[in-house]
Amino acid sequence: EVNLVESGGGLVQPGGSLRLSCSASGFTVSDSYMSWVRQAPGKGLEWVSVIYSGGSTFYSDSVKGRFTISRDNSKNTLDLQINSLRVEDTAVYYCTRDAVTFGGVFEYWGQGTLISVSS
Amino acid sequence: DIQMTQSPSSLSASVGDSVTITCRASEDISNSLAWYQQKPGKAPKLLLYATSRLESGVPSRFSGSRSGADYTLTISSLQPEDFATYYCQQYYTPPFTFGPGTKVDIK
Repeated sequence: EVNLVESGGGLVQPGGSLRLSCSASGFTVSDSYMSWVRQAPGKGLEWVSVIYSGGSTFYSDSVKGRFTISRDNSKNTLDLQINSLRVEDTAVYYCTRDAVTFGGVFEYWGQGTLISVSS
Repeated sequence: DIQMTQSPSSLSASVGDSVTITCRASEDISNSLAWYQQKPGKAPKLLLYATSRLESGVPSRFSGSRSGADYTLTISSLQPEDFATYYCQQYYTPPFTFGPGTKVDIK
């Protein structure tokens, strides 16, 4: 059974940094397409970043240069390093695994972890 | 970036009603369209992908179709558990983009 559990969220000041982690079970992260999707309070869904099984990465324009997606194969985790945090980064961050034959289709989701950016 | 629009932004319906939500992409996405359902405080749930393919375990009252640039989610015979917010999403090319959502509530 596929399971995704995010951790690492919290309250941080503008300009600060955080590292989110997504612990995966039931499959191998390095064999999968994995994304981060976020949702600001009361708002819609926003795709943030993807890492493909081959290692290629893509980012939304709003986070490019500040966020870095990576994976730890030894721990079977997906990570998101977030630097230079802004108030507008406040959101629940979801870890997702794409459907096996349809990249970009977010088939499995974690429960989410909340980042609050405030002074 | 491909922009996704959705209509209506909200609707009220009764149990047993049939409801239709429409999504339009700003450019051709060649059927690379998924639909998600989200309930308050929960993660989204994949309903359909490739315009009309039903995700495993999703009831058959959910269906999807395309007419030109318009992609449609239809829920036939709305059930109490279907009251939620629905999002479309294109996965034709990154950045993957979502529609703004349609909230379906009880009339």
